[in-house]
Amino acid sequence: RKEVEQDPGPFNVPEGATVAFNCTYSNSASQSFFWYRQDCRKEPKLLMSVYSSGNEDGRFTAQLNRASQYISLLIRDSKLSDSATYLCVALLNTDKLIFGTGTRLQVFP
Amino acid sequence: DAGVIQSPRHEVTEMGQEVTLRCKPISGHNSLFWYRQTMMRGLELLIYFNNNVPIDDSGMPEDRFSAKMPNASFSTLKIQPSEPRDSAVYFCASSQGSQAGAMYNEQFFGPGTRLTVL
Repeated sequence: RKEVEQDPGPFNVPEGATVAFNCTYSNSASQSFFWYRQDCRKEPKLLMSVYSSGNEDGRFTAQLNRASQYISLLIRDSKLSDSATYLCVALLNTDKLIFGTGTRLQVFP
Repeated sequence: DAGVIQSPRHEVTEMGQEVTLRCKPISGHNSLFWYRQTMMRGLELLIYFNNNVPIDDSGMPEDRFSAKMPNASFSTLKIQPSEPRDSAVYFCASSQGSQAGAMYNEQFFGPGTRLTVL
């Protein structure tokens, strides 16, 4: 089983829709979590960190459920520019970042 | 400000040849990471340095891979000899922070080197 698992998608949604991705992690020792965004043939960029209490940044909301070992990302009012691959990342102990293989989002007009 | 710089952007080589990938981290960042990305395995950490010292190279696939960081502004990843299964996009990333804290901080990725080994 992979340490960080994501549904590869693609998720095809119309502009203005709300879409949610989940990511599960297998190691309960994982300490910190992040969402990175990667555009096609580009480098990953940090979208947001995921805090235990949940956090929001504009249209984006990240949640952590330690009991069930999953992280979620909610995108409200989807824009065409949100089309990208979203990478879930877990920090194991303090020294090992594990990336998921990503969930692809395609927002259409 | 310049971000992380990688060269070359594309490399096509034949099996058995030596390949050297180069990276210049963001000035002032003291942690540097080398990643490999493939469709099947996603993004995998190969090695990371803190203050030019290799901290964890457990992700380096085998002895054919080696990485150096001779100073704070330059790192290389070398594959010798290269094989077709090494074909991937190789990213370099840098971040600020101590050895203990580097992983918690945002990593800034370079544009990557797309390597094709025929």
